[in-house]
Amino acid sequence: QVRLVQAGGEVRKPGASVKLSCRTSGYTFTDYYIHWLRQAPGQGLEWVGWMNPHSEGYNYNEKFRGRVTVTRDKSISTAYLEVSGLRSDDTAVFFCARGQSGNSYWYFDYWGQGALVTVSS
Amino acid sequence: DIVLTQSPGTLSSSPGERATLSCRASQSVSSSQLAWYQQKPGQAPRLLIYGASSRAIGIPDRFSGSGSGTDFTLTINRLEPEDFAVYYCQQYGSSHTFGQGTKLEI
Repeated sequence: QVRLVQAGGEVRKPGASVKLSCRTSGYTFTDYYIHWLRQAPGQGLEWVGWMNPHSEGYNYNEKFRGRVTVTRDKSISTAYLEVSGLRSDDTAVFFCARGQSGNSYWYFDYWGQGALVTVSS
Repeated sequence: DIVLTQSPGTLSSSPGERATLSCRASQSVSSSQLAWYQQKPGQAPRLLIYGASSRAIGIPDRFSGSGSGTDFTLTINRLEPEDFAVYYCQQYGSSHTFGQGTKLEI
């Protein structure tokens, strides 16, 4: 079955960076985009960006452009999100989710379990 | 960006009843590219409906979506105890935006 598995949460100080992983299985990694979303405590969902594991193409929410980078390792079917210049208001659960190849904007049919990033001095 | 406004913020219902959740867009959502998700505490969202009215794999038929343009509705018939959760709408016709959520409580 399709699975997206994220590594556990991280704690960082303001100004630091964090790199999150999303290991996929149960489907062909390069056939679907991977999206990243953020959910601050008690808040709603916010789209961060996507990557195309086949071409390494990507697109980011304007709000995060310049602070986030998406990458992948095809050999282990894993996508990554790096967030730099962390601020306290970046404290949130980050989710990876599967979208549709060829469509920048799509719904998300499978999700990782989420990884809590805590930014605190 | 398209802004999605969900109402009500909180809906109190009982098992066996019908719940009707609303999602209104600030401008027309192209090709009815609207999805609904259910999220329980400590869990990832779960896709329920896409294309405004198509049920995702494994979703019971008591969940149904309708609407077009700027007004969309999620209806849950015969509420089960496991249906009490937060529900989000998402439009994917122009970038991605989510509503602020409706909490369905017992």
